[in-house]
Amino acid sequence: EVQLVESGGGLVKPGGSLRLSCAAAGIPFSNAWMGWVRQAPGKGLEWVGHIKVKSDGGTEYAAPVKGRFSISRDDSKDTVYLQMNSLKTEDTAVYYCTTVDMTGFLAYWGQGALVTVSS
Amino acid sequence: SYELTQPPSVSVAPGQTASMTCSGEKLGNRFPCWYQQKPGQSPVMVIYRENKRPSGIPERFSGSISGNTATLTISGTQAMDEADYYCQAWDSGTVVFGGGTKLTVL
Repeated sequence: EVQLVESGGGLVKPGGSLRLSCAAAGIPFSNAWMGWVRQAPGKGLEWVGHIKVKSDGGTEYAAPVKGRFSISRDDSKDTVYLQMNSLKTEDTAVYYCTTVDMTGFLAYWGQGALVTVSS
Repeated sequence: SYELTQPPSVSVAPGQTASMTCSGEKLGNRFPCWYQQKPGQSPVMVIYRENKRPSGIPERFSGSISGNTATLTISGTQAMDEADYYCQAWDSGTVVFGGGTKLTVL
């Protein structure tokens, strides 16, 4: 059974930073592209970005987070991270960790981590 | 930037067929897929690569595409199918979501 478990969500002030973690189980993690999707309260799904496997290299980010957010992975811990800097109130959302197929579908999703950016 | 357009809402009577559309330029070349999200839950993929159904997804869910429009069809819709449905495509190595359709089973 595939499990993706996010952690690290919480309340942060505008301009602050937060790091989310996503621990994976049940998948060959080092061969898996991993991504993040967010959902603001009452809104639709919004892609944040994804990270490829080390041999493919590289990351991709959505325009609203480019330059502020970064995704990294530790294959020894089967964990992917989302480092969020210079947070804005509009970044308030549930953040989901997902697997990403090379043709773009998101087969598995975590339970989500709530990030609230407020003063 | 690439955009996907979905109707905000669709209604269907129990036992009938529900059809939800998703439109985008050259969508057939962009591996369209569909997700179901019920209130308070994480999304679940119900169709990938246009018309493939993951294991565990009921056969009443099917996907198709004609021109620039993908369609998610639910045959014999059940009350448990009431949810938000999002289409998604792959554009130049990035993920794009439609705005979502709220399916109401009357």
